[in-house]
Amino acid sequence: DTGVSQNPRHKITKRGQNVTFRCDPISEHNRLYWYRQTLGQGPEFLTYFQNEAQLEKSRLLSDRFSAERPKGSFSTLEIQRTEQGDSAMYLCASSPPPRFSNEQFFGPGTRLTVL
Amino acid sequence: GESVGLHLPTLSVQEGDNSIINCAYSNSASDYFIWYKQESGKGPQFIIDIRSNMDKRQGQRVTVLLNKTVKHLSLQIAATQPGDSAVYFCAEEVSGTYKYIFGTGTRLKVLA
Repeated sequence: DTGVSQNPRHKITKRGQNVTFRCDPISEHNRLYWYRQTLGQGPEFLTYFQNEAQLEKSRLLSDRFSAERPKGSFSTLEIQRTEQGDSAMYLCASSPPPRFSNEQFFGPGTRLTVL
Repeated sequence: GESVGLHLPTLSVQEGDNSIINCAYSNSASDYFIWYKQESGKGPQFIIDIRSNMDKRQGQRVTVLLNKTVKHLSLQIAATQPGDSAVYFCAEEVSGTYKYIFGTGTRLKVLA
């Protein structure tokens, strides 16, 4: 399977704990995005990487959230001191350089439940 | 803030009929529009896209129409099949931002 992969697919944690999600984009896609999706809503943009550089962060990304893409390949999204309001589906997407396409390819998501 | 929205939260159609899902966008600076299909428990799946220099684009059984005058986007699905049942999102990209702004989605139910 050469699509975007995300791990874990599901995560249940207790309020106050830290969690980390991983995203492996499609090979040679230099752009990577994180979105958050709550039930019945469309995905909301969180952050965007071009190679290893984090070029944009949404105001939704509070200081408890941090994302990295150290080698310009896979990315991690960490949430510290989780709150019940963090419960959502966290989606990762990747896209090739803009000269090829603007299409974003989404992974299956990581569903987070904070108890 | 500016956002993409949908008129109907749920659309029920008979199998074999055509479906039309509508979307309104408010950012006149958006120049790229996409329709995604999302099945339960899965990530959004690309259906079709259109750039602002076009007003119609056709794919396999799907057509996207863009009306920039009224900032309206629609997805037409021909001969709707049970496998088309899903939530459909439109999204817009403001020129140069590389991030998508999604609407809340329309659930399409195909009746046998």
